Amino acid sequence: EVKLLESGGDLVQPGGSLRLSCAASGFTFVNYDMNWVRQAPGKGLEWVSSISHIDGTTSYADSVKGRFTISRDNSKNTLYLELNSLRAEDTAVYYCAARLPVHHGFDIWGQGTMVTVSS
Amino acid sequence: QSALTQPRSVSGSPGQSVTVSCTGTSSDAGSYTSVSWYQQHPHKAPKLIIFDVTQRPSGVPYRFSGSKSGDTASLTISGLQAEDEADYYCSSYAGRYTWVFGTGTKVTVL
Repeated sequence: EVKLLESGGDLVQPGGSLRLSCAASGFTFVNYDMNWVRQAPGKGLEWVSSISHIDGTTSYADSVKGRFTISRDNSKNTLYLELNSLRAEDTAVYYCAARLPVHHGFDIWGQGTMVTVSS
Repeated sequence: QSALTQPRSVSGSPGQSVTVSCTGTSSDAGSYTSVSWYQQHPHKAPKLIIFDVTQRPSGVPYRFSGSKSGDTASLTISGLQAEDEADYYCSSYAGRYTWVFGTGTKVTVL
């Protein structure tokens, strides 16, 4: 079964840090570009970050640039997102999504992990 | 990185067709044949239903179709069914390895 399983979401104070993980199974992880997409409560989807399967090239939305870091460990079939200097507006469900780089759609999605930033 | 513009809601009766629009700019939807559409049921993860403007992933019903003209992409659901009631989001590649999503549209089956 093709699966992405996120973990690491939690309640954290403003200014705090968190590390999210996304474990992949059932498909060849190294062949996919990986992404994080978030959804604030009652709001729409927002692309957050991407990492290439070829050379590890990364990109970030302006709203998180300089605060979040995406990485991957192909030996563990795992994607990570390091969240620093967290703000209330970062509160959201964070989804990891896999994209086969022959097109630009996000093919495989996890079930999401909730990050709440509040004092 | 401004969100693509979608109508807040559209509705139709079972068996009818509905169309959801998605308007971007020359920096995203207008420049790339890389528009995707996602269906999201309440409290569920999004599901890819259209990629590269018109392509359907395996298993997605034929009643879902996509098109694009200029800066505006469209998703049409033909023969609307009760299970199609959900939120729909468009997305476009925006260059320099970045993506942008639409504001989302709630499709209601009357």
